[in-house]
Amino acid sequence: AQKVTQAQTEISVVEKEDVTLDCVYETRDTTYYLFWYKQPPSGELVFLIRRNSFDEQNEISGRYSWNFQKSTSSFNFTITASQVVDSAVYFCALGSGYSTLTFGKGTMLLVSP
Amino acid sequence: KAGVTQTPRYLIKTRGQQVTLSCSPISGHRSVSWYQQTPGQGLQFLFEYFSETQRNKGNFPGRFSGRQFSNSRSEMNVSTLELGDSALYLCASSSGLAGGPAGELFFGEGSRLTVL
Repeated sequence: AQKVTQAQTEISVVEKEDVTLDCVYETRDTTYYLFWYKQPPSGELVFLIRRNSFDEQNEISGRYSWNFQKSTSSFNFTITASQVVDSAVYFCALGSGYSTLTFGKGTMLLVSP
Repeated sequence: KAGVTQTPRYLIKTRGQQVTLSCSPISGHRSVSWYQQTPGQGLQFLFEYFSETQRNKGNFPGRFSGRQFSNSRSEMNVSTLELGDSALYLCASSSGLAGGPAGELFFGEGSRLTVL
């Protein structure tokens, strides 16, 4: 069975602080995909990134960066210089086939001015 | 291009009733997945349809059912509603290429169901 754990339920930071959201996963599949989604108050889940199990290269996109470490089964997400607009619930997800994803419970990020 | 459209956005039902939710995927997408989101259980996979066939199913009772039409639009139905069915029901579409890897899912804003 697949499992995704986001141990941080809620994180509060002040604007311009850096923040890291943790994600640990479990799977027996050798080929799998990891995702991060953002859920603003409107409810719609917004895709941020997809990573496959064969690509451990870290990725940076603007203020966002992702650290994938297969050895520790982790796929952490860092926001640099956080902004109020980053306030949302962030979900880490795991998929191994078709379009079925297993989501973590989510981390609520609150960025105050 | 237009995103995923879910209707209705909000609805209130009473126990024992049934409800039908609709989802129109992004044009060209053949896969539609449904997820239930509750504060306690988080996001849980309900089922996925690809080219009118249910391709995968989550661990939900038979009261939860769905279907997909030839234009890829999908509906899900919950019969004999229970209080615990109160949730945000999210629909997601993807290209869903048969045999392909888990792809990026494009989500709608969801249908918020309240069961009284």
